[in-house]
Amino acid sequence: SQKIEQNSEALNIQEGKTATLTCNYTNYSPAYLQWYRQDPGRGPVFLLLIRENEKEKRKERLKVTFDTTLKQSLFHITASQPADSATYLCALDEGGGADGLTFGKGTHLIIQP
Amino acid sequence: GAVVSQHPSRVICKSGTSVKIECRSLDFQATTMFWYRQFPKQSLMLMATSNEGSKATYEQGVEKDKFLINHASLTLSTLTVTSAHPEDSSFYICSARDRTSGGSEQYFGPGTRLTVT
Repeated sequence: SQKIEQNSEALNIQEGKTATLTCNYTNYSPAYLQWYRQDPGRGPVFLLLIRENEKEKRKERLKVTFDTTLKQSLFHITASQPADSATYLCALDEGGGADGLTFGKGTHLIIQP
Repeated sequence: GAVVSQHPSRVICKSGTSVKIECRSLDFQATTMFWYRQFPKQSLMLMATSNEGSKATYEQGVEKDKFLINHASLTLSTLTVTSAHPEDSSFYICSARDRTSGGSEQYFGPGTRLTVT
């Protein structure tokens, strides 16, 4: 089964800087790779989805890249703000939407003012 | 749009009793809903896939007789934890896909914190 590693349990970034989070997986590339935000005691909130034939996706201050050779996705938040502080989860969809998602443990991002 | 609700948000029950958790898609129809469980500082783990009008598909290691899933309509799925024990205490989260969107993203409910004493 797929193993997903997210670069670190916690990441401290100064406000205004770009935060970069890493997601690595071990097996075959999924049809889709997704990023979610989770706040304490809440369910995940969908942020971005990237397909295996896409290299990059952007949404406002967010950017996701997908390198199937490296088996890695990078998630960037530019001009970071304290309100961006949360846990960010990488999730793989291997079934093209029909199956549940396989999640990483997440990276707890702290943006310091 | 794409709002998923769960009820209750928190529940405390005694060991040996059963607890029912509801998951509703409020503004879209969901042919498929998913149930996840999350222990502290752990990732979400898929427990089962719930398909409207048919039996749920359980992940390996999840007891189907203990975690009963019913998906009676396109907007409602329920998870019943039967004969709950303290080790079942966890954060249970459901999700749903909008079957008309064609996308793979899932919309998650706010979660239900179950504590078994």
